[in-house]
Amino acid sequence: KAGVTQTPRYLIKTRGQQVTLSCSPISGHRSVSWYQQTPGQGLQFLFEYFSETQRNKGNFPGRFSGRQFSNSRSEMNVSTLELGDSALYLCASSLEAGATTDTQYFGPGTRLTVL
Amino acid sequence: AQSVAQPEDQVNVAEGNPLTVKCTYSVSGNPYLFWYVQYPNRGLQFLLKYITGDNLVKGSYGFEAEFNKSQTSFHLKKPSALVSDSALYFCAVRDYNFNKFYFGSGTKLNVKP
Repeated sequence: KAGVTQTPRYLIKTRGQQVTLSCSPISGHRSVSWYQQTPGQGLQFLFEYFSETQRNKGNFPGRFSGRQFSNSRSEMNVSTLELGDSALYLCASSLEAGATTDTQYFGPGTRLTVL
Repeated sequence: AQSVAQPEDQVNVAEGNPLTVKCTYSVSGNPYLFWYVQYPNRGLQFLLKYITGDNLVKGSYGFEAEFNKSQTSFHLKKPSALVSDSALYFCAVRDYNFNKFYFGSGTKLNVKP
């Protein structure tokens, strides 16, 4: 079974631009979560989607948004990019949202660099 | 509030020696605990999880973790370290009430030949 895939793997943008990252979960998984990983802040939860609905949200500004499609694929968008948005963005999928025993499986990440 | 602490930024061990990567947690209710490993420029790979049952959980690549409720700890262990085990290790707890994962700050494991 194929793992979680994320595209693109690397992205370079300039301040003020916007960016869209894509995530395809493991087949059959319906929940997708997004995380931001930086050396200073570690892994921070962005949001979780299940059945095209946002179920949970972390403490990030409104410039960060996401959505999920009917096939469970998810996208996240960052508008008006800032230098501090440079990070590795990780997507994780699990079978169901709300199942505490579920394991999250991570994709390889998208490395975003903001110049 | 739910939280996970990994008190060591870095652990150094010689190849062939046993290794321990420490994790302590704070949750309300039952803890659901996970260990992940991250190699450079890669995503996180699932190693093992504790949900309920035996306090010693066995996982991938020869790793195991010991759950200790009284000490609120979930330390990752391996009897004999390999150079290829060198990576960044994350402990995580799932919050039953809010259904979020909380990750520790990570511990860099260096295994020297």
